Amino acid sequence: KQEVTQIPAALSVPEGENLVLNCSFTDSAIYNLQWFRQDPGKGLTSLLLIQSSQREQTSGRLNASLDKSSGRSTLYIAASQPGDSATYLCAVRGVNDYKLSFGAGTTVTVRA
Amino acid sequence: SQTIHQWPATLVQPVGSPLSLECTVEGTSNPNLYWYRQAAGRGLQLLFYSVGIGQISSEVPQNLSASRPQDRQFILSSKKLLLSDSGFYLCAWSNTFTGTTDGYTFGSGTRLTVV
Repeated sequence: KQEVTQIPAALSVPEGENLVLNCSFTDSAIYNLQWFRQDPGKGLTSLLLIQSSQREQTSGRLNASLDKSSGRSTLYIAASQPGDSATYLCAVRGVNDYKLSFGAGTTVTVRA
Repeated sequence: SQTIHQWPATLVQPVGSPLSLECTVEGTSNPNLYWYRQAAGRGLQLLFYSVGIGQISSEVPQNLSASRPQDRQFILSSKKLLLSDSGFYLCAWSNTFTGTTDGYTFGSGTRLTVV
């Protein structure tokens, strides 16, 4: 069974600082990995999707890396802003699998 | 473009009452559909998934059921709600997983409070 762990559980940084969010998974036989953002009381917004054959994906200030062999992914958010405050979820989809296995999330607070 | 609609946004129901949450997807055909629940302070738990009309698979035993009467419609139901059914319910879709590189897209969620 795939286990997904996100560290830290919570993070508070001053505006302008770079954010580093970590995700680890136990089974390296993955199809893809997806990072989501969730605002309080809202649904999940997809940020980045990394296929198992890729090493990283970038979108604006966001960069996600994937090291499948070691079972790790890192989400970097450059020059954080108060609007980046949210919970960030990592989810892994297994090979020939239909479902996502989620981590518990990292709650980020960016202080103005 | 594809969109996913989920309603209602919030719901307060008494214990023992029935439940019906609806989810519809637009702009795609034959999607895989999913119902997830997010309990307070806990991660997302997959409840049901469907790969086609009338095809429902349950991930965990519970007081809930799901149906897919049309290709792009997914319904979550209960005959009698329990207090433990409270939570945030999310519908999601993905393309048929074989050979696709797409990820999941989630709806905006329904906050259910059973009182």
